[in-house]
Amino acid sequence: EDQVTQSPEALRLQEGESSSLNCSYTVSGLRGLFWYRQDPGKGPEFLFTLYSAGEEKEKERLKATLTKKESFLHITAPKPEDSATYLCAVEGRNAGGTSYGKLTFGQGTILTVHP
Amino acid sequence: NAGVTQTPKFQVLKTGQSMTLQCAQDMNHNSMYWYRQDPGMGLRLIYYSASEGTTDKGEVPNGYNVSRLNKREFSLRLESAAPSQTSVYFCASRNREGTEAFFGQGTRLTVV
Repeated sequence: EDQVTQSPEALRLQEGESSSLNCSYTVSGLRGLFWYRQDPGKGPEFLFTLYSAGEEKEKERLKATLTKKESFLHITAPKPEDSATYLCAVEGRNAGGTSYGKLTFGQGTILTVHP
Repeated sequence: NAGVTQTPKFQVLKTGQSMTLQCAQDMNHNSMYWYRQDPGMGLRLIYYSASEGTTDKGEVPNGYNVSRLNKREFSLRLESAAPSQTSVYFCASRNREGTEAFFGQGTRLTVV
């Protein structure tokens, strides 16, 4: 069974204070690791997909990295508008090498950036 | 481009009532999903449809049924609502390559 654990549960930063969010996963053959941002009362907003260890992707102040056991979402010089819940999800591969077609999510990290 | 559209946005049901949550996507995606989100539980998969004409159970399917009406539409039905089904329901769709998955804005359901 695929499992995803995100830490910390909540993170408070001052504007400009860089930090990282962690996503640890257990999956039988990773097909993809997804990062989402979710604002209160809204649906998750797609950020990145990572496929293999060593891969990195960037978008504005966010950079996602991937190892064989975990992914990090690095936030550089955050602004108050970066405040949101950040979700990580994985998709596994079955014994036949094909995709299950479904994502397993972690609990999320609630990020608050103070001005 | 509307993306993934869910209706209704809010609903209050009495225990035992039935209702159908509607979802439509205009991105020509093959795969569609229904999730529920509860405080402290994260997003949990209810049912998914890898392609038109197929549906499969997810992590928490009990009390729900789904219909993949066509490539665009994937509905979720509660036959006899229970208070434990009070939640926020999200529909999602995914492209053929599997590189991106997009969510709707959610349906907030309260069962009293």
